[in-house]
Amino acid sequence: QQQVKQSPQSLIVQKGGISIINCAYENTAFDYFPWYQQFPGKGPALLIAIRPDVSEKKEGRFTISFNKSAKQFSLHIMDSQPGDSATYFCAAKYGGSQGNLIFGKGTKLSVKP
Amino acid sequence: DTEVTQTPKHLVMGMTNKKSLKCEQHMGHRAMYWYKQKAKKPPELMFVYSYEKLSINESVPSRFSPECPNSSLLNLHLHALQPEDSALYLCASSRRDGVTYGYTFGSGTRLTVV
Repeated sequence: QQQVKQSPQSLIVQKGGISIINCAYENTAFDYFPWYQQFPGKGPALLIAIRPDVSEKKEGRFTISFNKSAKQFSLHIMDSQPGDSATYFCAAKYGGSQGNLIFGKGTKLSVKP
Repeated sequence: DTEVTQTPKHLVMGMTNKKSLKCEQHMGHRAMYWYKQKAKKPPELMFVYSYEKLSINESVPSRFSPECPNSSLLNLHLHALQPEDSALYLCASSRRDGVTYGYTFGSGTRLTVV
């Protein structure tokens, strides 16, 4: 059972465009939703994260939109740059101070110059 | 220091070898994790250590043996691995203060079993 569904699998965006990646979840016990960016040969790096009591969080060019009733959240990358080309994973974690991060399957983003 | 350091970066081992992967963090994080990542797949949890005690073992084969000697170090001992165990092995750590849940990942060890 895939607990966090991520789409699209791959995305090509022109430089300066907006990249949008979507995730959906089923389990309402999740209380933390991070996005990770991973470059080839590197470990995932935390990009931005949100708690379910917030509908939107913005950090620089990166914004998370969170829809608790629809159990969906998305990552928007504004003014996308070639350096943003990477694989992006959404994730979710159960409530409590310790637990597993449940990852989506990932989205490979390519930003064309 | 806001890093998780993993060594070695690359490892090639035979199926009869014994090797160890090492992970170190100095952020005061009391939870540490081993993840396995196959190509083009998300990371999959293997083990969780909380306050130096093993708290989660995701049904990992016994040829993988974790060890947490102290709050800053995490090892993964490897023995009699199979070629299908070739993957990127990631270490991560996190705080347990109930306020923030950020997981910091290392760059991983690229393991090839021949």
